[in-house]
Amino acid sequence: NAGVMQNPRHLVRRRGQEARLRCSPMKGHSHVYWYRQLPEEGLKFMVYLQKENIIDESGMPKERFSAEFPKEGPSILRIQQVVRGDSAAYFCASSRGQGSIYGYTFGSGTRLTVV
Amino acid sequence: AQRVTQPEKLLSVFKGAPVELKCNYSYSGSPELFWYVQYSRQRLQLLLRHISRESIKGFTADLNKGETSFHLKKPFAQEEDSAMYYCALRGSQGNLIFGKGTKLSVKP
Repeated sequence: NAGVMQNPRHLVRRRGQEARLRCSPMKGHSHVYWYRQLPEEGLKFMVYLQKENIIDESGMPKERFSAEFPKEGPSILRIQQVVRGDSAAYFCASSRGQGSIYGYTFGSGTRLTVV
Repeated sequence: AQRVTQPEKLLSVFKGAPVELKCNYSYSGSPELFWYVQYSRQRLQLLLRHISRESIKGFTADLNKGETSFHLKKPFAQEEDSAMYYCALRGSQGNLIFGKGTKLSVKP
């Protein structure tokens, strides 16, 4: 079981470019969560998705950020027109179900650097 | 409001000393709480969850509903315990709400 796979591990983008972060959940997991980790701020929830549905996007910035989890393929977190403040580690987690007593399994994260 | 508070950014202890990482929560209803650990530049790992009342790597945590707390404790800290520790609460939508984390540094 490969666990939660995130790629790329490191991503460098110039201001104004687009960043695409991918997350493949654990086998058997149909719930995906995205978090952003900034120094001094810990983990901030961004969005919670199930296959083809966004369940909770209350932590997503209103502009430039979007997420999807298609029927086939990984979940994608997309950041358009990146700015320096988007530089952070983005973590994806997956779970078997909403009420899973096992918590989440996290990926290794994608470290985005905007130059 | 659903919130997790970890009041200490940094906790520094000597090897062999007792450790208590504080966590307080705000939640209307029956809470479901977790502790996660993140070793240097590694992924977050589930350390323990309150419903299982287990002890992992010598750590325990007891849910105190009266004080709305879920403090993490270990009687004798080891150098390999040095890491970031996050307390988390399952929100009403199913997502986990994390505290800001406490960096534990265990000195030799």
